[in-house]
Parts: sequence; structure tokens; C-alpha cells
Amino acid sequence: DVKVTQSSRYLVKRTGEKVFLECVQDMDHENMFWYRQDPGLGLRLIYFSYDVKMKEKGDIPEGYSVSREKKERFSLILESASTNQTSMYLCASRTGVTGELFFGEGSRLTVL
Amino acid sequence: GQSLEQPSEVTAVEGAIVQINCTYQTSGFYGLSWYQQHDGGAPTFLSYNALDGLEETGRFSSFLSRSDSYGYLLLQELQMKDSASYFCAVRANQGGKLIFGQGTELSVKP
Repeated sequence: DVKVTQSSRYLVKRTGEKVFLECVQDMDHENMFWYRQDPGLGLRLIYFSYDVKMKEKGDIPEGYSVSREKKERFSLILESASTNQTSMYLCASRTGVTGELFFGEGSRLTVL
Repeated sequence: GQSLEQPSEVTAVEGAIVQINCTYQTSGFYGLSWYQQHDGGAPTFLSYNALDGLEETGRFSSFLSRSDSYGYLLLQELQMKDSASYFCAVRANQGGKLIFGQGTELSVKP
């Protein structure tokens, strides 16, 4: 079975802190994604990566950056967390461009 | 801009048929997917349509009309376990960028 693992299920951080959300997949998938999910807004794409060291901005990249140094790992970085970044963050991976996305269990971030 | 429109809520009874519509306006279009998400769970893949027409997978079917920028998910013989949120998603470029709609919360009543 494909497994996408997000490092933390729940995090509480303070405004201005640097936050790292880690995601690892074990199926050698080329594509990896970071979404945030908020009630009534669905899943909004932050960044995605189609290969190692390759990335593309999604619809809401402001305040976020990403790193893909190895194929299996895709990190989301909040350089200076703000309260409006309190959300559920979902990582996903996929092989090819038409295949199904496999999601992790999510990381619920609260910024105080 | 890019937008996907779906109804926010749908209610139906067990055994019935329900259709969840999705209209999209995106800068590029290469295919339409559907995902299911139960409360507290991760989204899971249901279907993908790249060409016009109907795709059937058991009780679920998905339809696409590219000329109308429209698709739908059809759920037949509804069961209580089908209560969940359903998201349509557009593959928006050749690289596989996937944009999701806001989701439709389906409630199945006895």
C-alpha cells in the first residue's frame, strides 16, 4: 500500500515562529503536493513539485516556501507563522500526471 | 482566475440516487477527478475523466462534458456510509497541477 506520512498530526506554534511540516512518501512518486483545508474553502493548493528540486506555485503560495531535496520528501516551510495560517495541512503524492493522489492524514496547525 | 463550483450541501435518503455537479473555469483543462472525504479522514480518489462521457465504477459514475466545462458524480443505491464530502478537482496543466473545488457535503438519511 502507498503510504504518505506527515510528521506531525497536531502542532501549536506562536506568531513569528518558523514552522516545518514534513511529508514522506514510500512509493517513488514523482509528484508531491501541499494543500491547506479550511471549512467552506475546500482544498487550496499551496505548492506542488513534479520532480526533485522542481516546484511550482499553487493558488496561495504567499507566506510559504517548500523544499524537495530528495524524491520521497517534500517539506512545507512557514518562515514566520501568522494566525491566519492556522489550518489543516494536507500532503499528497502521485505518480505521473493523471494518477490518483494519495493523501497523508494531515497536520493540524494552530498559530497563537 | 480559476474557479470550480459545486453545491455546498446535498441531502438524500438511503437507496436513492444523487448527482453532484461541478462546473469549472480554469486557465487550462486536462481532466476532472472526484475525491471522497469522510469526517476526520484524508481524501480518497474516486474517478478521473479526461474525455467526454460517462465512466462507471460500481455504484459511482462520473461524467464530463468539456464543451460545457461541466461534470458530475452520480451515486446510486445510496448507503449511510456514503455520507461524506465530495470534491471535484481539475488537472489544470500538463505538469499535473490539481485544483480542487470547495466540496459538497452529502448527508444520507435513513
